Amino acid sequence: QVQLMQSGAEVKKAGASVKVSCKASGYIFTNYYMHWVRQAPGQGLEWMGVINSSGGTTTYAQKFQGRVTMTRDTSTSTAYMELSSLRSEDTAVYYCARGEEHAFDIWGQGTMVTVSS
Amino acid sequence: DIQMTQSPSSLSASVGDRVSITCRASQSIGTYLNWYQQKPGKAPKLLIRAASSLQSGVPSGFSGSGSGTEFTLTIRSLQPEDFATYYCQQSYSPPYTFGQGTKLEIK
Repeated sequence: QVQLMQSGAEVKKAGASVKVSCKASGYIFTNYYMHWVRQAPGQGLEWMGVINSSGGTTTYAQKFQGRVTMTRDTSTSTAYMELSSLRSEDTAVYYCARGEEHAFDIWGQGTMVTVSS
Repeated sequence: DIQMTQSPSSLSASVGDRVSITCRASQSIGTYLNWYQQKPGKAPKLLIRAASSLQSGVPSGFSGSGSGTEFTLTIRSLQPEDFATYYCQQSYSPPYTFGQGTKLEIK
């Protein structure tokens, strides 16, 4: 079935970087965009950016410009999100979500990233 | 950025009740509006796309309406599994912002 499987929880020091992976299965990876959304503990959903899984072009939320890099590997149907210069406010669950007709129809299970000082 | 505002932020209701949640956009977004349901510890689930189109597999008791700047999610008859947090999201232009969420609790 169609699913997105994300990498496991991470604990990072402030100032470090984290790279989260999202492996797609059950559909043609390059036919869909992949979005990244995060959710801080007890908070709402925050869109971070999107990658065109075919061409690799990206659009990032201005808040994350300069700190986030989204890439993909079409040979393994995997999308990646790397966030650098981590601070405590980046502690959150990070989700990948498939973009389909202007909606996010399939979501990964989430990856908890904890930033400690 | 387009701001999305939901009301109410929380809502207490009983099984069998009909409830509605409102979402307002800071500018016109046509029908580029989606609704998601999220349960504790789980990823969000798409319920309604394009303001009023029910996502495949979602019970028909859910419906969406609206266009422009004002939208509504209605649950016709609350079931125990419907108690969750609901988010609207605009997909008109990036950043694809979400509302702050509406927590639906059992009365």
